[in-house]
Amino acid sequence: DQQVKQNSPSLSVQEGRISILNCDYTNSMFDYFLWYKKYPAEGPTFLISISSIKDKNEDGRFTVFLNKSAKHLSLHIVPSQPGDSAVYFCAGGSYNTDKLIFGTGTRLQVFP
Amino acid sequence: KAGVTQTPRYLIKTRGQQVTLSCSPISGHRSVSWYQQTPGQGLQFLFEYFSETQRNKGNFPGRFSGRQFSNSRSEMNVSTLELGDSALYLCASSTGQGGQPQHFGDGTRLSIL
Repeated sequence: DQQVKQNSPSLSVQEGRISILNCDYTNSMFDYFLWYKKYPAEGPTFLISISSIKDKNEDGRFTVFLNKSAKHLSLHIVPSQPGDSAVYFCAGGSYNTDKLIFGTGTRLQVFP
Repeated sequence: KAGVTQTPRYLIKTRGQQVTLSCSPISGHRSVSWYQQTPGQGLQFLFEYFSETQRNKGNFPGRFSGRQFSNSRSEMNVSTLELGDSALYLCASSTGQGGQPQHFGDGTRLSIL
């Protein structure tokens, strides 16, 4: 049972434009969600998180939106930069454990 | 502040052997979690240790085990290796307080021949 889904395996965006990465979940018990970025041969790097009681969280160029009724979250990157090219994972977690449920990732390519 | 350190970075084993992977968390972090990453499967949760106790376990066979020491360092052991165990094994640490982000090491790439 895939509780967290990233249905787009890849996304290509021009530099300076907005990148929108999407994530759907089925488990209503998640207390918070996180986005991680992963470069080849490196571990995932934490980007931004959002509590399940919020609908938006912003940190610099990164904004995460949560739509609980649709069980959908998205990560917006504005403006996109070539250095943002990486695989992005969304994950759901609960406050009583560090167990995270990850999606399968979306590969973002930002071209000049 | 030093990050999460995993050793070794690469490992080649043959079927039937066993392997031990090591993880040193960020100083002050008491929770260590392990994940397996395979192509197309994303990151699959193996187990989490907090203050030397296993706090949560994923859906992996008993061949996968772990432990945590008093200094929060953790080891993961896989016995009777199978070809399907070839993967990137990632360790993450956090304070263990709910909602805090986990910080990952660069992983151990395990290849089974």
